[in-house]
Amino acid sequence: EAQVTQNPRYLITVTGKKLTVTCSQNMNHEYMSWYRQDPGLGLRQIYYSMNVEVTDKGDVPEGYKVSRKEKRNFPLILESPSPNQTSLYFCASRGTLTTYEQYFGPGTRLTVT
Amino acid sequence: QKEVEQNSGPLSVPEGAIASLNCTYSDRGSQSFFWYRQYSGKSPELIMSIYSNGDKEDGRFTAQLNKASQYVSLLIRDSQPSDSATYLCAPMNTGFQKLVFGTGTRLLVSP
Repeated sequence: EAQVTQNPRYLITVTGKKLTVTCSQNMNHEYMSWYRQDPGLGLRQIYYSMNVEVTDKGDVPEGYKVSRKEKRNFPLILESPSPNQTSLYFCASRGTLTTYEQYFGPGTRLTVT
Repeated sequence: QKEVEQNSGPLSVPEGAIASLNCTYSDRGSQSFFWYRQYSGKSPELIMSIYSNGDKEDGRFTAQLNKASQYVSLLIRDSQPSDSATYLCAPMNTGFQKLVFGTGTRLLVSP
């Protein structure tokens, strides 16, 4: 089954404790992206990657890091989480050659206390 | 001006009616447009894509695009209570780096 997976789905952590949210896709997509969604603010892009070893900032990159060492994986790293990073996070992927239809993972609900 | 504007709703329609959802966007270079459905607490689900001016139909859904007016809409025929969700309009930006999401229109379909 073609899908984007994220882990963990739910995470409660404390301020300053480094964490990684994993994202993987099995559709051989070149493009992957991370979003956060907050009430009233909609979906905002954090980082994106056009291909392996190619990453770039989105609209709200502060406090986040990413890496793209393999085509299928695109982890999101919070090196020192703060309460304002409490949010619902989505990973997404799409192809880049013919269509631009983007598919989302199931989401990770993060709470930073 | 917001990059993508949608009426937040809620838009309330009775079961069996046509729901009409509208969206305007500011990036004149956008060429690809998408509609997503999102249930509360769940991930956005792609329901329609449209790339050319005019109408595109898929089952009960019809997307309409007018690039000159920078306007895209989604019609849902024979609305069902299971269609109750938030619908997100998302044009692709000019450089094809990202989808730009509106904050969505909440649709409520009453039995």
